[in-house]
Amino acid sequence: EADIYQTPRYLVIGTGKKITLECSQTMGHDKMYWYQQDPGMELHLIHYSYGVNSTEKGDLSSESTVSRIRTEHFPLTLESARPSHTSQYLCASRRASSYEQYFGPGTRLTVT
Amino acid sequence: QQQVKQSPQSLIVQKGGISIINCAYENTAFDYFPWYQQFPGKGPALLIAIRPDVSEKKEGRFTISFNKSAKQFSLHIMDSQPGDSATYFCAARSCHGYSTLTFGKGTMLLVSP
Repeated sequence: EADIYQTPRYLVIGTGKKITLECSQTMGHDKMYWYQQDPGMELHLIHYSYGVNSTEKGDLSSESTVSRIRTEHFPLTLESARPSHTSQYLCASRRASSYEQYFGPGTRLTVT
Repeated sequence: QQQVKQSPQSLIVQKGGISIINCAYENTAFDYFPWYQQFPGKGPALLIAIRPDVSEKKEGRFTISFNKSAKQFSLHIMDSQPGDSATYFCAARSCHGYSTLTFGKGTMLLVSP
């Protein structure tokens, strides 16, 4: 079982609030990813990181931002949440020597 | 533009039957093709993966068939069980750029008892 954690698991907030979704992994993986997934739909890559102080935007445009100050930690921040941000957010990581991505359980975000 | 097309969107199979999910791609730079299984409330988990230098890979009841010339690959679940009921995603990794995964839209599989 992969050691990748996401908090909170569920979050309901009002429009305009600032939120940070946490993602941590204890496997020492250099590569980390954030995906957005609407219910029953495909995963869209929104951010990725190839190491400390390295972040890139993914295929899907997102108003969120990320940081990678420590190898094990890859938080995602929404400065001003909107109803269009309602979705599930999945964090993943992998070793540099493997293509296999390990996923966290996800954070289901609802913005009212 | 969707780079990995997955079908069907949903599938109902009787217990003991064979479940077949298909994916097609256009990008010839793809060089790694995993299948992920996702249960409700969980993140996706790697089920099985294949490289384009082989035409088939089998792990237990799960088999990937790969057709490089047709740019298609499929997942076969033999002797399908109710516990296999989940959403399945195919994906592909490009050997160019940052090697990220591109996912198909997913197939919801229901195995009836």
